[in-house]
Amino acid sequence: AQSVTQLDSQVPVFEEAPVELRCNYSSSVSVYLFWYVQYPNQGLQLLLKYLSGSTLVKGINGFEAEFNKSQTSFHLRKPSVHISDTAEYFCAVSAETGNQFYFGTGTSLTVIP
Amino acid sequence: NAGVTQTPKFQVLKTGQSMTLQCAQDMNHEYMSWYRQDPGMGLRLIHYSVGAGITDQGEVPNGYNVSRSTTEDFPLRLLSAAPSQTSVYFCASSPRQGAHGYTFGSGTRLTVV
Repeated sequence: AQSVTQLDSQVPVFEEAPVELRCNYSSSVSVYLFWYVQYPNQGLQLLLKYLSGSTLVKGINGFEAEFNKSQTSFHLRKPSVHISDTAEYFCAVSAETGNQFYFGTGTSLTVIP
Repeated sequence: NAGVTQTPKFQVLKTGQSMTLQCAQDMNHEYMSWYRQDPGMGLRLIHYSVGAGITDQGEVPNGYNVSRSTTEDFPLRLLSAAPSQTSVYFCASSPRQGAHGYTFGSGTRLTVV
């Protein structure tokens, strides 16, 4: 089975500052990796995903993530955050041949004006 | 282009009552699943289905029942509601496992008193 650890439950950051949300995963097989965003009182939306190839993945709203196989990490970054980025962010993993997604416990990003 | 539709959006139940949370998708996705979201615990898989007529248990299946008679619909039944089932429930679908990621519904907020 796979598992995901999101190292920070809450991340406050000032507007226009950079941010990194950390995600580590565990798996004995090859995986796909995902980041989702959840705005208040809404469902989850896919931000970006890593399937194969280039380890730097770009997503919507200016976010990007880097897959590091040796570190088993998939950290999410944005060079300059906006108030509208305030949300809950979830990292998820799926085995390439599996039936299930495994989610982390989420990181609450709060952007401070 | 409805995507994944969940009904109802809000529900209050008394302990011991039963009810069905509805989920429908119009994208012809094979794979559907139900998650519950609780503070500090992320999303936990309740049940999932890889196609019509096929269902399986996830991480927290006790107290819930599912069926998948059509590709489009995947209802979740609470057999005898308990306060521990107070949560936000999300239905999600995917063309197949792995690479595509999920499309999520907007959620059902359930309170059991």
